[in-house]
Amino acid sequence: KAGVTQTPRYLIKTRGQQVTLSCSPISGHRSVSWYQQTPGQGLQFLFEYFSETQRNKGNFPGRFSGRQFSNSRSEMNVSTLELGDSALYLCASRRGGGDTEAFFGQGTRLTVV
Amino acid sequence: AQSVTQLGSHVSVSEGALVLLRCNYSSSVPPYLFWYVQYPNQGLQLLLKYTSAATLVKGINGFEAEFKKSETSFHLTKPSAHMSDAAEYFCAVRTNQAGTALIFGKGTTLSVSS
Repeated sequence: KAGVTQTPRYLIKTRGQQVTLSCSPISGHRSVSWYQQTPGQGLQFLFEYFSETQRNKGNFPGRFSGRQFSNSRSEMNVSTLELGDSALYLCASRRGGGDTEAFFGQGTRLTVV
Repeated sequence: AQSVTQLGSHVSVSEGALVLLRCNYSSSVPPYLFWYVQYPNQGLQLLLKYTSAATLVKGINGFEAEFKKSETSFHLTKPSAHMSDAAEYFCAVRTNQAGTALIFGKGTTLSVSS
């Protein structure tokens, strides 16, 4: 079956702009989580959505937001981009409920110039 | 709060040698523990997971890890390294109390020489 699909794979944006990243989870999975990966901070949890509701949030500023649609696809938005937002953004899907295994997409590489 | 410490940011082994990647965790409640592998410009692939069943966990590609509560450790091993094992490895923890967020270690880059 198809894995987690993230689009686009690469993005270059200018400081001050906003960006939207997309994640399509594995079919049947209702939970989508987002992570930011940088060389300095490593992998950090942004937020999780389950059945269109945000149910967990990491320690990131309000410029980072997300949403989930009824088909479980999720989008992440970053407004007023800063140079420090340059990172690999990873999406992970889980079936939900008590299931513990998260499957990751290949990520979106965002570069802010 | 949970945390993960991976000892050694870089480990080098020869092909055929034992691979040992160290992970120590901190958690006040029973944890779920994971090892993920990441190849360049790729996402994370789950190698194995501990979810309070057997303490010795076998994963894909010949990797295994042992949960030792007394040492708060979950070290990853493989008896014989292959060139294809060269990648970055991440240990992660989560608990039911903290929701579903994975807390990752800083990662260990494994190099394999011929």
